[in-house]
Amino acid sequence: NAGVTQTPKFRVLKTGQSMTLLCAQDMNHEYMYWYRQDPGMGLRLIHYSVGEGTTAKGEVPDGYNVSRLKKQNFLLGLESAAPSQTSVYFCASSSGAYNSPLHFGNGTRLTVT
Amino acid sequence: AQTVTQSQPEMSVQEAETVTLSCTYDTSESDYYLFWYKQPPSRQMILVIRQEAYKQQNATENRFSVNFQKAAKSFSLKISDSQLGDAAMYFCAYKPAGTASKLTFGTGTRLQVTL
Repeated sequence: NAGVTQTPKFRVLKTGQSMTLLCAQDMNHEYMYWYRQDPGMGLRLIHYSVGEGTTAKGEVPDGYNVSRLKKQNFLLGLESAAPSQTSVYFCASSSGAYNSPLHFGNGTRLTVT
Repeated sequence: AQTVTQSQPEMSVQEAETVTLSCTYDTSESDYYLFWYKQPPSRQMILVIRQEAYKQQNATENRFSVNFQKAAKSFSLKISDSQLGDAAMYFCAYKPAGTASKLTFGTGTRLQVTL
């Protein structure tokens, strides 16, 4: 039972490079989320999706883009990476029911030099 | 906007003892949900316990229980009979009721368990 799978697990980028983080879930969840985790700041929401073909901005969306072309996948893109985007990125999904918890992937550690 | 505050950046407890982690939140909503997540060194986010605001009874999951004080907007986590495996970051999170509601996290409390 895979749950939520994130790839890659680690990545190092140079300033200005681009990359895409992939999130896949096999629980048929409607809602998917991208969070970033920084020391002393908890998890902050970047973007989220409430269904296939939909996306919306979260708390810290600048510098990121997302796409949800298929229900099971949610992609996070960095077009021109900056050192401020060095962080651990978490994908999560939920069924959307009122009391449904988020199911998280294992995170991606991204370093931008 | 809702905010979640965890005022204890670090806590320490001896094995087999009890520890309480604090969490307060700010909201104008009457219906919402509260969660505690555990993040061990493996980085995985694990749901520990959840509480519906409309329920007066405090949630309990084995050695984990909460003290939910709705009027005070307080949601503390009590860990009884602490074990070495309980050492982790603990995050409190808030979610308003609603079809497109999102989870807001506190900044976390790092729990150390000593022998």
